[in-house]
Amino acid sequence: SQTIHQWPATLVQPVGSPLSLECTVEGTSNPNLYWYRQAAGRGLQLLFYSVGIGQISSEVPQNLSASRPQDRQFILSSKKLLLSDSGFYLCASTPRRLAGVPNEQFFGPGTRLTVL
Amino acid sequence: EDQVTQSPEALRLQEGESSSLNCSYTVSGLRGLFWYRQDPGKGPEFLFTLYSAGEEKEKERLKATLTKKESFLHITAPKPEDSATYLCAVKTSYDKVIFGPGTSLSVIP
Repeated sequence: SQTIHQWPATLVQPVGSPLSLECTVEGTSNPNLYWYRQAAGRGLQLLFYSVGIGQISSEVPQNLSASRPQDRQFILSSKKLLLSDSGFYLCASTPRRLAGVPNEQFFGPGTRLTVL
Repeated sequence: EDQVTQSPEALRLQEGESSSLNCSYTVSGLRGLFWYRQDPGKGPEFLFTLYSAGEEKEKERLKATLTKKESFLHITAPKPEDSATYLCAVKTSYDKVIFGPGTSLSVIP
């Protein structure tokens, strides 16, 4: 089974500061990777997904960006944080198994970001 | 517009009191429906995948069912440790995953 690591677990940053959240995956190769944001009491909002190294698709235009420098590494970044960037950020992975079969996503422990 | 809704928003049960959570969806083609459990401050934990209407999956006190318009998560004789937020998600025919807002379940001893 796969394991997803995220760090840091919590982060408090001032408005206008940069951001870098990291996600690494163990136990699978060539996964699809995802960044989600979860606001309090709300569902998960997909931010970015990647089907391979250097391949990033953005779902929501905003001041965040993502990169995938290695097969099992996914990074979420921002040059200048906004108050509205506060939330719970989750990295998820879908293993490549049977072609054409919708596979479940496995989630990391999340990063709680507070922008002040 | 593709949409996933869940009801109720919150549910409070006595230990041993069975009930069901609902996930309704309106999407352009269903490729799969997923149920997750999420504890406070943690990432969602995968429970079930359902692929077609009529399918059922069970795990301990949980049973998930699927129709063409909705899915139910039945909880039989719940225990306090079943308290969590339960999320459903739908994968559409064009490979988009849409999450519902979740149902917060509290089981009181």
